[in-house]
Amino acid sequence: SQQGEEDPQALSIQEGENATMNCSYKTSINNLQWYRQNSGRGLVHLILIRSNEREKHSGRLRVTLDTSKKSSSLLITASRAADTASYFCATGSGYSTLTFGKGTMLLVSP
Amino acid sequence: EAGVAQSPRYKIIEKRQSVAFWCNPISGHATLYWYQQILGQGPKLLIQFQNNGVVDDSQLPKDRFSAERLKGVDSTLKIQPAKLEDSAVYLCASSTRTDDEQYFGPGTRLTVT
Repeated sequence: SQQGEEDPQALSIQEGENATMNCSYKTSINNLQWYRQNSGRGLVHLILIRSNEREKHSGRLRVTLDTSKKSSSLLITASRAADTASYFCATGSGYSTLTFGKGTMLLVSP
Repeated sequence: EAGVAQSPRYKIIEKRQSVAFWCNPISGHATLYWYQQILGQGPKLLIQFQNNGVVDDSQLPKDRFSAERLKGVDSTLKIQPAKLEDSAVYLCASSTRTDDEQYFGPGTRLTVT
């Protein structure tokens, strides 16, 4: 079974708006990673946040991690049409391998 | 820096035939992964190598799938014989270590008819 579960399954917004995606998981983790996948560039790593971190930023991306609630969120600010993609969270537990969720499909309309 | 290379990009075979995929990871990356991604789902790990040793192959259907990483660099994944449900994209990824970010190749789209 897959560890991370993204929510919502699909999200449709206008350019310039913010997009928020959530990820919930069930067991203790060492780190949580967000990836983006589109047809043009394949699967690309966005951000890695470790279990002792609460928030991380990278450009227009902001990731939070709440280990007490076993959840994470990915915020994309001022979205662009090029942000249209599927977004996956993946959880890692020490030496064990990453487990991906089913993803959130984001559509950003011009 | 060159990315993860995979070949072929597309493959169509009939069920019961065999197929092999090749992956060349980023230079210096000790850890190599093979994932299977079925349409509409996230990637599922098939096998993970640390250098040329297997770390995790718990989800690899060993009756039909095999993988090797000779000399700790390139890797091949083989399916023999293929089934219809093996139709998927096979992704190769590499990282410097297990709990670090992974870099993915473009994938091989396999269609089994």
